[in-house]
Amino acid sequence: QQQVKQSPQSLIVQKGGISIINCAYENTAFDYFPWYQQFPGKGPALLIAIRPDVSEKKEGRFTISFNKSAKQFSLHIMDSQPGDSATYFCAASKGGATNKLIFGTGTLLAVQP
Amino acid sequence: DTEVTQTPKHLVMGMTNKKSLKCEQHMGHRAMYWYKQKAKKPPELMFVYSYEKLSINESVPSRFSPECPNSSLLNLHLHALQPEDSALYLCASSQGQWSGYEQYFGPGTRLTVT
Repeated sequence: QQQVKQSPQSLIVQKGGISIINCAYENTAFDYFPWYQQFPGKGPALLIAIRPDVSEKKEGRFTISFNKSAKQFSLHIMDSQPGDSATYFCAASKGGATNKLIFGTGTLLAVQP
Repeated sequence: DTEVTQTPKHLVMGMTNKKSLKCEQHMGHRAMYWYKQKAKKPPELMFVYSYEKLSINESVPSRFSPECPNSSLLNLHLHALQPEDSALYLCASSQGQWSGYEQYFGPGTRLTVT
């Protein structure tokens, strides 16, 4: 119940295309869902996050879609660029005073020029 | 400014050495975290400090000893490590320990145990 399942494991997209990464969870106590981007040798960087009372959140080329009933959320990267090539992690945390992030297994995105 | 700094960037140590990792943030955050990340895996939580007090220890072996000298600094003391402890050690901070507070990560310390 503590897991967050992420797919696909790897993704190749052409420049200008849309990258889509999916995550699913079981624990309905999760109330915060961030996405992180990590380049090799660097720490994860917070991209965008959503709460379950919102079905979609957009920041620039990045959009989170959230389906509470299906317990799924996804990251869409519009107009993907080679500079977006990185590993993406979804995560979730449970409500309350323990800001413990449960991470998905990660998606390695390669955007081809 | 959402910067978390970590030193050193790289560390090589023998199994009998004692070393320390340092983390600093000046965002006024009151929660700080240590994570361990192995290659091609997600970060795994090790410790959480809230208001300079240890609030979560994820059953980490005692050869890892955290310390929070003040609200801006977090240390991780290492002693008698094993080769399997080689990993990227990440520090993070957030405004508070409540769910939903954004966690900002540092660049990490790449640790190699020989």
